[in-house]
Amino acid sequence: DAGVIQSPRHEVTEMGQEVTLRCKPISGHNSLFWYRQTMMRGLELLIYFNNNVPIDDSGMPEDRFSAKMPNASFSTLKIQPSEPRDSAVYFCASSALGEGNEKLFFGSGTQLSVL
Amino acid sequence: GEDVEQSLFLSVREGDSSVINCTYTDSSSTYLYWYKQEPGAGLQLLTYIFSNMDMKQDQRLTVLLNKKDKHLSLRIADTQTGDSAIYFCAERSWDNRLAFGKGNQVVVIP
Repeated sequence: DAGVIQSPRHEVTEMGQEVTLRCKPISGHNSLFWYRQTMMRGLELLIYFNNNVPIDDSGMPEDRFSAKMPNASFSTLKIQPSEPRDSAVYFCASSALGEGNEKLFFGSGTQLSVL
Repeated sequence: GEDVEQSLFLSVREGDSSVINCTYTDSSSTYLYWYKQEPGAGLQLLTYIFSNMDMKQDQRLTVLLNKKDKHLSLRIADTQTGDSAIYFCAERSWDNRLAFGKGNQVVVIP
């Protein structure tokens, strides 16, 4: 398996623009997580899905952030409109919940810079 | 809620042992994890320990768990330059989410 695949690897945009981050989880995994990493806050869980259903989105910072998982092999995280403080590395991770040890497998991340 | 604390920076000479510490708050955590993040990459699972264990050894890695003090440590024996990275500990909470610490930067000096 290719692992968790995220795109794009890097995104530079201007304040006010819409940004869409994409994630393909590992085939067969039933849970998907979106994290944001910054120097100040470390790793923050934004939202996670189980069987394509959003379970907890309490980490989503504002209404400008939205996430979808239309099927088991694809998820998007959208920021509209983007702001400079959204600049961070966004990670997607997937897991096979129910295996017991709940190991998370991370993608390589999307480095977002909002100017 | 969960709160995982880690120290920030450690430098170690190549060949020496390095120890990274972590404290957590959720006494009901069932699994505790160590992840490694190399520059420009995502987190990679290194090892994990079940909460009813005190120690787990995996090649050069030794995990020690003190449930009474809610203290987790990772010892890397014969540290190599490829071990330079940020190390995160994480605890699995009751709802199966992982709570991560802020990470500990390890720099291996040749």
